[in-house]
Amino acid sequence: KQEVTQIPAALSVPEGENLVLNCSFTDSAIYNLQWFRQDPGKGLTSLLLIQSSQREQTSGRLNASLDKSSGRSTLYIAASQPGDSATYLCAVKEGGSEKLVFGKGTKLTVNP
Amino acid sequence: EAGVVQSPRYKIIEKKQPVAFWCNPISGHNTLYWYRQNLGQGPELLIRYENEEAVDDSQLPKDRFSAERLKGVDSTLKIQPAELGDSAVYLCASSLIAPGMRAFFGQGTRLTVV
Repeated sequence: KQEVTQIPAALSVPEGENLVLNCSFTDSAIYNLQWFRQDPGKGLTSLLLIQSSQREQTSGRLNASLDKSSGRSTLYIAASQPGDSATYLCAVKEGGSEKLVFGKGTKLTVNP
Repeated sequence: EAGVVQSPRYKIIEKKQPVAFWCNPISGHNTLYWYRQNLGQGPELLIRYENEEAVDDSQLPKDRFSAERLKGVDSTLKIQPAELGDSAVYLCASSLIAPGMRAFFGQGTRLTVV
C-alpha cells in the first residue's frame, strides 16, 4: 500500500527566506507526483506536476524535484512571501491506476 | 474555463439525517474523484469514476454512502444516515485519463454533523 509522508508537519520562516518542503513515498511505481497548495477553508490548487520520467519542474519561485528510485520529492520556494502561507500537499498517482495518494501536508507560515 | 464546481459549500445537519453533495467537473474531464479530508489530514479517496463507471470504490463505506455519476458528467455523493464521524470536508476533483494530466479540485463541501 502506497504511503506518502511529508516533513515537517509545520514550518514558520521569516519573509525572504528560501525553504524546502519534503515528501517521501513508499512505492516507486508512480505515474507522476503533484504538489498542491491549500488555503484555509479552500480546495486544493495544483502547483506543479512532475512526470515519473522527469527530475524537476519549475514555476516562478517554485521548483519541485523528483527522485523516483529513492521515493523522494522536494518543493523549493525561493524568496518566501507572506502570501505563500498555506498548507502544501504532495500526492502521487499510482502506477496502473488514476488514484492519487496524499500526504498530510506541511503547514507553512511566512512572517512579515 | 470554469473549474470544478461543488455545492453546497457548507452543510450542518443532525446525526441520522441524510445529506447530499453535488459536483460539476471540468468540461471534457472523464475521470471524477470524491475525496474526504479530515482536519489536519490529507485527502483520502472515497470513489473514482471513469466516465459513468465507478472503477475504485474500495474505501467508500457502502452501508451509508452512495454515489452516482449520471451520463458521465455531474456527480452526487450521498450519506444516509450521517454520523458524527462523517464531519469533514468532501472534495471533488476531475482530470483526463492520462498519466501526465493534473487533477483539478473544487472548493469542497464542509460537513458538520451535530
